[in-house]
Amino acid sequence: EAGVAQSPRYKIIEKRQSVAFWCNPISGHATLYWYQQILGQGPKLLIQFQNNGVVDDSQLPKDRFSAERLKGVDSTLKIQPAKLEDSAVYLCASSFPGREQFFGPGTRLTVL
Amino acid sequence: QKEVEQNSGPLSVPEGAIASLNCTYSDRGSQSFFWYRQYSGKSPELIMSIYSNGDKEDGRFTAQLNKASQYVSLLIRDSQPSDSATYLCAVNMDSNYQLIWGAGTKLIIKP
Repeated sequence: EAGVAQSPRYKIIEKRQSVAFWCNPISGHATLYWYQQILGQGPKLLIQFQNNGVVDDSQLPKDRFSAERLKGVDSTLKIQPAKLEDSAVYLCASSFPGREQFFGPGTRLTVL
Repeated sequence: QKEVEQNSGPLSVPEGAIASLNCTYSDRGSQSFFWYRQYSGKSPELIMSIYSNGDKEDGRFTAQLNKASQYVSLLIRDSQPSDSATYLCAVNMDSNYQLIWGAGTKLIIKP
């Protein structure tokens, strides 16, 4: 069974530029999560989708971050414009509702 | 505020000994509990889940849950250097199946 796929793996941009991350969940997983993880901290939930609907985006900085999950499968997370403090690893995870979450390899973002 | 607390460590354990990792959580109504392992530069990997009071064993790993004390632990028997990683505790505290994460405990197994 294929795992959660993410791309790109690494991205370096300058502040005020835009960037987009892509995630393909495990087949059949209706729930998809985007997390931000800063070094030395646990993952911080940015947004949770159930199929193509948003369950919770209360911690998503909506003035600069956006996310969508068209057709309830793949998802894209965008940052525009990026700030220095957005440097982090962005993790995508998927699960059956209420079950264990499985993570993709993550995207390491560096904002200069 | 819903919280999950872990000792950040590092916890240093000699090879072959038992490593004991602890986690406390704030919401008494929590139902699902997970331990993830995260190697440096990698994403979290699920190693154990536990849903009811008591012990759950899987190979060298044992998860222990005590809902009355709001406490979950992970024991690693016969610790190996390859067990050196950060261990994250995550707790499901609401009906949206969101996980509240601890900051992780860094475990070092010394040969």
